Amino acid sequence: EVQLVESGGYLVQPGGSLRLSCAASGFTLSDHYMDWVRQAPGKGLEWVGRTGDKPNSHTTDYAASVKGRFTISRDDSKNSLYLQMNSLKTEDTAVYYCARTWVWNYLGYYYYYMDVWGKGTTVTVSS
Amino acid sequence: DIQMTQSPSSLSASVGDRLSITCRASQSIRSSLNWYQQTPGKAPKLLIYAASSLQSGVPSRFSGSGSGTDFTLTISSLQPEDSATYYCQHSYTTPYTFGQGTKLEIK
Repeated sequence: EVQLVESGGYLVQPGGSLRLSCAASGFTLSDHYMDWVRQAPGKGLEWVGRTGDKPNSHTTDYAASVKGRFTISRDDSKNSLYLQMNSLKTEDTAVYYCARTWVWNYLGYYYYYMDVWGKGTTVTVSS
Repeated sequence: DIQMTQSPSSLSASVGDRLSITCRASQSIRSSLNWYQQTPGKAPKLLIYAASSLQSGVPSRFSGSGSGTDFTLTISSLQPEDSATYYCQHSYTTPYTFGQGTKLEIK
């Protein structure tokens, strides 16, 4: 069964750091683009960032709101994805989801969509 | 960044109704538009990708249409389990952005 399981969410003080993990099973993480998406309490979905697949050298992109503070990495040997979060702010409080992005090449055009999601892990930034 | 605007923000409908949710992009995104369904306390679930392709396992009463800047999610015959919040999301280029969501209530 294809599955993603996030962990590492915690209560942390403003300015602190946290590392989230996302363990994949049923597929090989390095073959896929992977994304992080978050959802603040009572709010909508916000894309956080993504990492490319191995052929694309695992390149990373980030939302402006987290760029310079958050870093996405992988450990292919553990089939796991990580989100290192530094200089945390109260507005980073959210449920964080990891998601597999499927890349579909149709008539030479690439479509990207998040087809498998984890259940999420909760990060609370508060003093 | 490309902005995504959904309408309506919420709606109420009855079982068996046909309804549509619209999503507008601030610039052309070709057909790089996905729709997700989220129920409270759960992760989002992919319904439609590339504007009109139905994800495997999703009931055929869901359909998507549109290209460029204007897109529509249609539910042909509403069922009780369709009570959820629906989000559009573009994947034309990073940063990806989601619409603000449409909360659907079943009367």
